[in-house]
Order: sequence, then C-alpha cells, then structure tokens
Amino acid sequence: QVQLVQSGAEVKKPGASVKVSCKASGYAFTNYYLHWVRQAPGQGLEWMGVINPRGGSTRYADNFQGRVTMTTDRSTSTVSMELSSLRSDDTAVYYCARDRSPIVVYAIGPCDLWGPGTMVTVSS
Amino acid sequence: AIQLTQSPSSLSASVGDRVTITCRASQGISSALAWYQQKPGESPKLLIYDASSVESGVPSRFSGSGSGTDFTLTISSLQPEDFATYYCQLFNTYPLTFGGGSKVEIK
Repeated sequence: QVQLVQSGAEVKKPGASVKVSCKASGYAFTNYYLHWVRQAPGQGLEWMGVINPRGGSTRYADNFQGRVTMTTDRSTSTVSMELSSLRSDDTAVYYCARDRSPIVVYAIGPCDLWGPGTMVTVSS
Repeated sequence: AIQLTQSPSSLSASVGDRVTITCRASQGISSALAWYQQKPGESPKLLIYDASSVESGVPSRFSGSGSGTDFTLTISSLQPEDFATYYCQLFNTYPLTFGGGSKVEIK
C-alpha cells in the first residue's frame, strides 16, 4: 500500500551526526517532493526542508542551513536526512512527508502522506 | 519569513459544540494554507488545503475558510475523536511555516 517507512530510533551524543531514512512504496517515488518535519517533545511542528526525489535538488529552512543534508536514492525509493553537530535541543521526532501535489504541478506543499516518525535523542 | 499565529492555543469544548480555530499570517498568502490534525503519538493528518478544500476522507464537519491573512478552521459538531491538536501551515512559499498549534480538550 501507499506508505512511508522510516528507520528506527536513534540515541546520539552532542556533536555527533544522525541519518534518518524514509522508504516510499505504493506510488511513483520520483513524482512527488518529500519533506522533513520535526517535533520536539511537547512542542509544535517545524519544517526542515524538502527534496526532489527525481533530481535530488533541495531547499532547507534557514534554521538548519549548513547542518542538514537531504539525499535521494532512486534505486531503493528512499530519501534520507542527515543532521550534524547535534545538540540537546535537536531531540525530537523526525517525520518524512510526501507532498500532496505531483512535482509537475509546480506547487510545494502541503503533505498528505506522513511517515510514522523517528525519535532522535541527543544526550551525553 | 512569514509567521503564522494560531488562536486560541488551547480550548475546552464538549461533544456537539461548534469549534473555531484561527490562523493569522504576518503577510498575505492568498489561499496557500493547510490545516492538520495531530493526536498524541500519531503523525499529523491533512484536513484542509487551499484554505477551504477538504481532503478526501475527512468528515464534512470540518471546514476551512479565509484568504489573505486571516483563516479559520471550523468543526461544526465536535465528536469524541476530534480531541487533538490542530496546526495550520503555509505552503507554496519557503519556509513552509507551521502555526504554533491549537489543542482541543474535553470540557
């Protein structure tokens, strides 16, 4: 069925990097942008950025510029998000989410299909 | 960046009540606004896009309105499964900002 499956929970030390993956199935992977959104415990949603799975072009939120890298692997229908120089306030659930509109529509957002989330804990 | 301000941040309501949540943009965004519902421990669920279009499968008691800077999500008759947190989100403009959320609790 149409779904996004994310990698498992991670525990990292401050200063380390984490890479979260998101595998798409049940739809044409290269036809829809994929976004990354995070949510700190008890807090709201924060948009991190978006990737075009076809060509790999990205757009990152200013808050994460220089620390985040989003990549695509068309052979496995998987996108990944790597966040470096982790701090305690990076502790959050990280979601991947599919754009509602096909890329050809030239719209960006909102998201109609979400992964289950990946908990990333940053602690010494 | 455009900011989205939701109000109220929380509210208490009873089953059957009409509930209205507001989202105000710091500058005009036409109709590029979406609403999500999130229950504890779950991923967000898209309810409304283009300010007033109801996503497929979403009950008809949910509706959205507004354009420019002021938007509203209305639940016409609150049901037990509607107790959740609701977020607005700007789209078609970077960054795709979310509002701070509005938690709907049982009265």
